[in-house]
Amino acid sequence: DIQMTQSPSTLSASVGDRVTITCRASQSISSWLAWYQQKPGTAPKLLIYKASTLETGVPSRFSGSGSGTEFTLTISSLQPDDFATYHCQQYSSHSPLTFGGGTKVEI
Amino acid sequence: QVQLVQSGAEVKKPGSSVNVSCRASGGSFSTFGISWVRQAPGQGLEWLGGIIPIFGTSNYAQRFQGRVTITADESTTTAYMELSSLRSEDTAVYYCATGPPTAGYYYMDVWGQGTTVTVS
Repeated sequence: DIQMTQSPSTLSASVGDRVTITCRASQSISSWLAWYQQKPGTAPKLLIYKASTLETGVPSRFSGSGSGTEFTLTISSLQPDDFATYHCQQYSSHSPLTFGGGTKVEI
Repeated sequence: QVQLVQSGAEVKKPGSSVNVSCRASGGSFSTFGISWVRQAPGQGLEWLGGIIPIFGTSNYAQRFQGRVTITADESTTTAYMELSSLRSEDTAVYYCATGPPTAGYYYMDVWGQGTTVTVS
């Protein structure tokens, strides 16, 4: 199975900060990567798929980049509603679906 | 837009089995890949497996092979996940989720509300 490694596991930031989260795959997954946001007690919400395609309705301060084995999620200017946990997930056809360990963005 | 509604919370004894349902409304049930994902308290997300109703085939993560069974009833547009030989480590919130209307497992843009399973 393809292993996904996210870093950092926790990130402390302030409103207005530029935030970057990294996700690395144990082998190439082309651009088959998604990012989710999750708040306590709720299901994950899709933000980005195919590494850089923004899901409908997601604010443009979120962006994704990368291909192959290294990917990033960037929040250009952190807003109060963005304090949450972020997960990456690969969906390469050569492997079962796997997730990264998550990154908690806290104040 | 597809909506997924899951069955209610369960409390189970170690060694028993649990069956969680996920009813879909809207969209074309048969062509979606429906996945089951769990999240233990304070932990990350973990894919257990999924089913593609139009093919009638299920796929499972290796670590759950033999212990999880995923089925679907097209007549009621409901998917089911049964996990057997429960242990305390299976205590988690279990989600069903689906993605683009293409047979297969991809990103997941629609999630059920989650079902809490407690093994104690």
